Amino acid sequence: GESVGLHLPTLSVQEGDNSIINCAYSNSASDYFIWYKQESGKGPQFIIDIRSNMDKRQGQRVTVLLNKTVKHLSLQIAATQPGDSAVYFCAENIGAGEGYGNKLVFGAGTILRVKS
Amino acid sequence: NAGVTQTPKFQVLKTGQSMTLQCAQDMNHNSMYWYRQDPGMGLRLIYYSASEGTTDKGEVPNGYNVSRLNKREFSLRLESAAPSQTSVYFCASSMTGGNQPQHFGDGTRLSIL
Repeated sequence: GESVGLHLPTLSVQEGDNSIINCAYSNSASDYFIWYKQESGKGPQFIIDIRSNMDKRQGQRVTVLLNKTVKHLSLQIAATQPGDSAVYFCAENIGAGEGYGNKLVFGAGTILRVKS
Repeated sequence: NAGVTQTPKFQVLKTGQSMTLQCAQDMNHNSMYWYRQDPGMGLRLIYYSASEGTTDKGEVPNGYNVSRLNKREFSLRLESAAPSQTSVYFCASSMTGGNQPQHFGDGTRLSIL
């Protein structure tokens, strides 16, 4: 899950296992959510997104689940590989209106470590 | 396939010096953003530009100014750098229309002594 401050939560998984990374978001009016992966020395890389009118969306080896009732988002990674080791961030769009860009609020991140 | 390009990649400044961070995107995106990332924290929005000719404050704008030079370029300026501005700065861009993912550059690592 998410935390505030210098100590990020860490998830350690064995190569080949499934990973689940959780995120609690803050704004019940948020209508769009994104998961990003950030490797050391790089910028955040888009993984998958979901709109608030959906509760599940699947990509290649990744699934995002959205529970609006409890304001919870999760990222599931199937058959986790060493290359999945990174920091994962969820972001919610608090909205700038149609015709504008979006204003994202990021969680603090979760470290995923994959053991070979 | 460059995407979002940030320059410089690293910079060390002394307190009180000024500096402009450059960002350019080649994806024909209308919207651009500047964030800062501090250790153990997520990204915080400094300023954004929803479209060419407009800029707006984000969560942490104090001590910064921005210029949307044209559709491709969005610069961030520190007029009088302070140690509290030591951070990694990321630029991002997105299509306009609300629910669009932002695409990030690889950051500028800025240290202020």
